[in-house]
Amino acid sequence: QQPVQSPQAVILREGEDAVINCSSSKALYSVHWYRQKHGEAPVFLMILLKGGEQKGHEKISASFNEKKQQSSLYLTASQLSYSGTYFCGTEYSGGSQGNLIFGKGTKLSVKP
Amino acid sequence: GAVVSQHPSWVICKSGTSVKIECRSLDFQATTMFWYRQFPKQSLMLMATSNEGSKATYEQGVEKDKFLINHASLTLSTLTVTSAHPEDSSFYICSARTDPYEQYFGPGTRLTVT
Repeated sequence: QQPVQSPQAVILREGEDAVINCSSSKALYSVHWYRQKHGEAPVFLMILLKGGEQKGHEKISASFNEKKQQSSLYLTASQLSYSGTYFCGTEYSGGSQGNLIFGKGTKLSVKP
Repeated sequence: GAVVSQHPSWVICKSGTSVKIECRSLDFQATTMFWYRQFPKQSLMLMATSNEGSKATYEQGVEKDKFLINHASLTLSTLTVTSAHPEDSSFYICSARTDPYEQYFGPGTRLTVT
């Protein structure tokens, strides 16, 4: 039931791009993306709803492919502040509203 | 907007005692709050869903008599870890759901049971 995130970890140089994927074997209603820095709580990035939408702000965007039950998070021209662990939280169609099941996370390290 | 606070930030307690953690939504009303625990370098595990004015819904494997949840108002939910043991040591995080879908997390409470 837990969504699968890939890659598990990625190291970037400042200015490089990255893609983080989140896949589910069950039909998704929504996908929520968070970034967590060490010792801190997760920070909400964005939510994507069923319907195959795309969203973005600044240099972080995401897409939701309903057919593939997959969401991807795109980080462009990465900054040092992007470092952290990225989690996707999935809400399943027909499931309890608001209950998120989180993936294991993708650790992103941006080096100068 | 959408700020969630937790208190305390960290607590150290002796085995056998009880600890209460508060979660407040500061600038919005949250009909639903969620409690998670997170072990080092692991993902967030949903423990229970807390709805204002009703009993909490616990996830499978979470002991409701050990982790008491009370959602007293639209801005406050509390988690009480009763008769804490060292294996209960963890990072406990709450989240509050705005309308219609977004969830915002509190800063977390690090519990250490000695």
